[in-house]
Amino acid sequence: SQQGEEDPQALSIQEGENATMNCSYKTSINNLQWYRQNSGRGLVHLILIRSNEREKHSGRLRVTLDTSKKSSSLLITASRAADTASYFCATDAWQAGTALIFGKGTTLSVSS
Amino acid sequence: DSGVTQTPKHLITATGQRVTLRCSPRSGDLSVYWYQQSLDQGLQFLIQYYNGEERAKGNILERFSAQQFPDLHSELNLSSLELGDSALYFCASTPTGTGINTEAFFGQGTRLTVV
Repeated sequence: SQQGEEDPQALSIQEGENATMNCSYKTSINNLQWYRQNSGRGLVHLILIRSNEREKHSGRLRVTLDTSKKSSSLLITASRAADTASYFCATDAWQAGTALIFGKGTTLSVSS
Repeated sequence: DSGVTQTPKHLITATGQRVTLRCSPRSGDLSVYWYQQSLDQGLQFLIQYYNGEERAKGNILERFSAQQFPDLHSELNLSSLELGDSALYFCASTPTGTGINTEAFFGQGTRLTVV
């Protein structure tokens, strides 16, 4: 079963614009991670935010976490064509124990 | 390069057949996770092994099984294959048994096509 749900499912923007993706989850979490997947390739870790953190930055990435709303957002600033990929949030899930459970992802398309 | 190796990269087989997918985790990582990615179901967690023992189970069908060997490589066995089993199968590894506390490293996947 899915723990996280990303929104929107697809996003198309121009180079230089900012891209915001949201993730909502159902149960309490310890941490939340964001991953990126280029078409048909393996997932690559972007950032991990712990449940006691509200915001975290990594380069052009900014992640927020609101545990009261059970939601997180990923902001990519000044998007580039190379940012075109699918983005997934991942959380732990009580039923699955220690494994990462992924949402269905947001497909981002950045055109030049 | 994530350090996680999956073989084969592509596999085409017929319905009813059995296949074995192999995963070598990053050096030093004790946990291996298997995921199935299809267009309609997204990325589904199948099973986790930690240091040779099953640690967590997700949406794994009874026709599927996995194991982790003493050298920590893992194999996912898929039997009585159906058309709907066509998907990308990923393995990931982490140093410990608690995946969420650290980043997971993913292999490039095995694309399985059942015809």
